[in-house]
Amino acid sequence: EADIYQTPRYLVIGTGKKITLECSQTMGHDKMYWYQQDPGMELHLIHYSYGVNSTEKGDLSSESTVSRIRTEHFPLTLESARPSHTSQYLCASSAQYYGYTFGSGTRLTVV
Amino acid sequence: QKEVEQNSGPLSVPEGAIASLNCTYSDRGSQSFFWYRQYSGKSPELIMFIYSNGDKEDGRFTAQLNKASQYVSLLIRDSQPSDSATYLCAVRGGSQGNLIFGKGTKLSVKP
Repeated sequence: EADIYQTPRYLVIGTGKKITLECSQTMGHDKMYWYQQDPGMELHLIHYSYGVNSTEKGDLSSESTVSRIRTEHFPLTLESARPSHTSQYLCASSAQYYGYTFGSGTRLTVV
Repeated sequence: QKEVEQNSGPLSVPEGAIASLNCTYSDRGSQSFFWYRQYSGKSPELIMFIYSNGDKEDGRFTAQLNKASQYVSLLIRDSQPSDSATYLCAVRGGSQGNLIFGKGTKLSVKP
């Protein structure tokens, strides 16, 4: 049973639209992460947070933004979607010194 | 730049054989090590973690760590077709303690 939830699972949207990918966890984890992964390719860290009001950019430059107003919620926003944003977006959380728990992912297609 | 290296494969083994997956890391100060399994189109799932030198066994899986040589391996005994997936090695290290993921090794178990 998943303790970290991502919605929507699949999203097809037109170029220029604003989108928000939702991620919530019920484990009380302080640390949360967003990864981008193309099919068959490696994980790329795009954003992370160590707690409320803490957000940092990851290793891969991204046009998305994140916020962390509540411990359990870490949404990712694209102000103007482009076809180059087509990918799978994975959210994860962890407690200190433990491994990450990943959500089921959102597969985004921008047409 | 701290790195985690894995052979991308594909590694092909017959059903019932032992699959051996290897991973090397560059940060000698790394403290904890994780193996994730990722089925095609799914999110990564934590299957093993190891903190101390030596072996750690969990069912058909054995994780091995050698800090002096900076490598960690995963052995899968009695491999099954359902083990066919990409296996990601992850290392926790650095000042921020984020996991650094390898690119993954694709395992194929042939019936």
